[in-house]
Amino acid sequence: QKEVEQDPGPLSVPEGAIVSLNCTYSNSAFQYFMWYRQYSRKGPELLMYTYSSGNKEDGRFTAQVDKSSKYISLFIRDSQPSDSATYLCALKTGANNLFFGTGTRLTVIP
Amino acid sequence: EADIYQTPRYLVIGTGKKITLECSQTMGHDKMYWYQQDPGMELHLIHYSYGVNSTEKGDLSSESTVSRIRTEHFPLTLESARPSHTSQYLCASSAAGSGETQYFGPGTRLLVL
Repeated sequence: QKEVEQDPGPLSVPEGAIVSLNCTYSNSAFQYFMWYRQYSRKGPELLMYTYSSGNKEDGRFTAQVDKSSKYISLFIRDSQPSDSATYLCALKTGANNLFFGTGTRLTVIP
Repeated sequence: EADIYQTPRYLVIGTGKKITLECSQTMGHDKMYWYQQDPGMELHLIHYSYGVNSTEKGDLSSESTVSRIRTEHFPLTLESARPSHTSQYLCASSAAGSGETQYFGPGTRLLVL
């Protein structure tokens, strides 16, 4: 069983839609939860970072962590064509190594 | 401007050649990492370093080797490239501390013929 499961998509939405991206995990020791955005032929860039359960909002982006269900989400409001990218969830325990999901490829259609 | 750099960005090379992928960061981070990324697959950690003269193998077995002689520099070497080494290689770095996030370079796309 993979440490982190993420639906690879692809996901296509019209401009202005609300996007929901999700990951599930099996290891209850994960404490740090991140979302990275990766444009085509670029390296991943950190988008959101949360510690433990709860919500965190940054502009049009909201990261949500539900540790009881081992489920994390990233919501994008008022999606824009510039949001078209692959979104990767990444989780870590107190140790140093990150565990990544496979990434969800998102296309926002103008 | 603090950043993380990788060269070359793209490399096409024949089987049996020795190659070195360069990674440098100007953020003063102690920790550096190499990941391998294939299409539709998760990133796999192949090497990491906690500081100068410290290197460890990651979760994914790799025939590559790394060195960390300077804090800012973490090159990856393949002594004899094979078609199975074709992939994207991503370098990352992070500051000390268990909650510190990793920052990625732009990646090197390697094609071995």
